Amino acid sequence: SYELTQPPSVSVSPGQTATITCSGDRLGDKYASWYQQKPGQSPVLVIYHDSKRPSGIPERFSGSNSGNPATLTISGTQAMDEADYYCQAWDSSTVVFGGGTKLTVL
Amino acid sequence: QVQLVQSGAEVRKPGASVKISCKASGYPFTYYDIHWVRQAPGQGLEWMGIVNPSGGSITYAQKFQGRVTMTRDTSTTTVYMELSSLTSEDTAVYYCARDQGGSCSSNSCSPGSWGQGTLVTVSS
Repeated sequence: SYELTQPPSVSVSPGQTATITCSGDRLGDKYASWYQQKPGQSPVLVIYHDSKRPSGIPERFSGSNSGNPATLTISGTQAMDEADYYCQAWDSSTVVFGGGTKLTVL
Repeated sequence: QVQLVQSGAEVRKPGASVKISCKASGYPFTYYDIHWVRQAPGQGLEWMGIVNPSGGSITYAQKFQGRVTMTRDTSTTTVYMELSSLTSEDTAVYYCARDQGGSCSSNSCSPGSWGQGTLVTVSS
């Protein structure tokens, strides 16, 4: 079965750029999406189709999937961005999620 | 606005079944596939399957084949997910989510708007 691999944790200072990676076999041939989940809340889609932002998602969130790994970049990271982030892809008619990355803003 | 409102928390004994509802509103119900995703306590997201409300086609994740049933009622714009033969490992928050793009295609399928989640606790 298809697998997506993310680092368990990433730390960033406020105002700096956070980068979260997602690796998978030939991931560049698929579309990658990214979700933000804060404690006790439902996930929120922040990036789909590699780099598109749904309405209401701040411009500081961006995505890239031109190779392997796919990346989620948060520019000018704010304290409110501290959360778990999951990547996702579609493979063989199955939605696959990465294991998640805890982003700490300190 | 898009809303997915799920039924309330459930407690079941091992071996029992649970059926969760997800009522959609604020958009054309038959235009968007509905995903089911679960999350065990302290764990990541796990996809269970997808329902096409228009034609009724359903795809289940292999892990849940034979144990999960997803249905939809177009008259009430509600999608249901029933999971049987419950064990303690099924204790989780279960989410429904509308696909971001409409219907999943050969190369694109992403849960977009999510419901509030339903906690299912399996305990003897």
